[in-house]
Amino acid sequence: QAGLTQPPSVSKDLRQTATLTCTGNSNNVGRQGAAWLQQHQGHPPKLLSYRDNNRPSGVSERFSASRSGSTASLTISGLQPGDEADYYCSAWDKGLNAWVFGGGTKLTVL
Amino acid sequence: QVQLVQSGPEVKKPGASLKVSCEPSGYIFTDYYIHWVRQAPGQGLEWMGLINPGDDGTTYARRFQGRFTLTSDMSTNTVYMELTSLRPDDSALYYCAREGPGAFDYWGQGTLVTVSS
Repeated sequence: QAGLTQPPSVSKDLRQTATLTCTGNSNNVGRQGAAWLQQHQGHPPKLLSYRDNNRPSGVSERFSASRSGSTASLTISGLQPGDEADYYCSAWDKGLNAWVFGGGTKLTVL
Repeated sequence: QVQLVQSGPEVKKPGASLKVSCEPSGYIFTDYYIHWVRQAPGQGLEWMGLINPGDDGTTYARRFQGRFTLTSDMSTNTVYMELTSLRPDDSALYYCAREGPGAFDYWGQGTLVTVSS
């Protein structure tokens, strides 16, 4: 039950840049921005950014987030094999009074 | 360091109830909300609800209201998730997560729940 819209998959070459998108509405992403999570197979999600473009300590500067209106973006530069993972966006939805997630984007590094 | 440790895997029959625990450490228990998120096999993340351990206030996702309950115990710094009337499609990995500023900043290791007759 995805509340936010993400492309199911993105493929990019090693050392290139990937930009993942997450589209919501004025009740969620457009209101408070989005957070981005990375999940490797068999592991819990890991927070990459919050409130649009804040990175927790320890997260590589290769990960940068931004927002335009109700669409959030995560840009990963200098792609590495370890960046292959599922990426989810999340946001609080004021209208639903609930947290919503995107359906996730599977990033493949070729 | 902040850690959230969850109880172990569960196998349940349809119609049974489930109770999973989450024990945060490394911070003041009552300072942060705890959320529950589940992930069915091969699927995405689904938010279930939250509890404020400071006052036991809860908010549940609409689809789980009526059979989902969150409680907290300040004496043991533990949060519990209970899901009743289990169905096979409740089979999933259940995660607890701490809510930091605008996001879930720390996650438990996940508890695998299998519902099967």
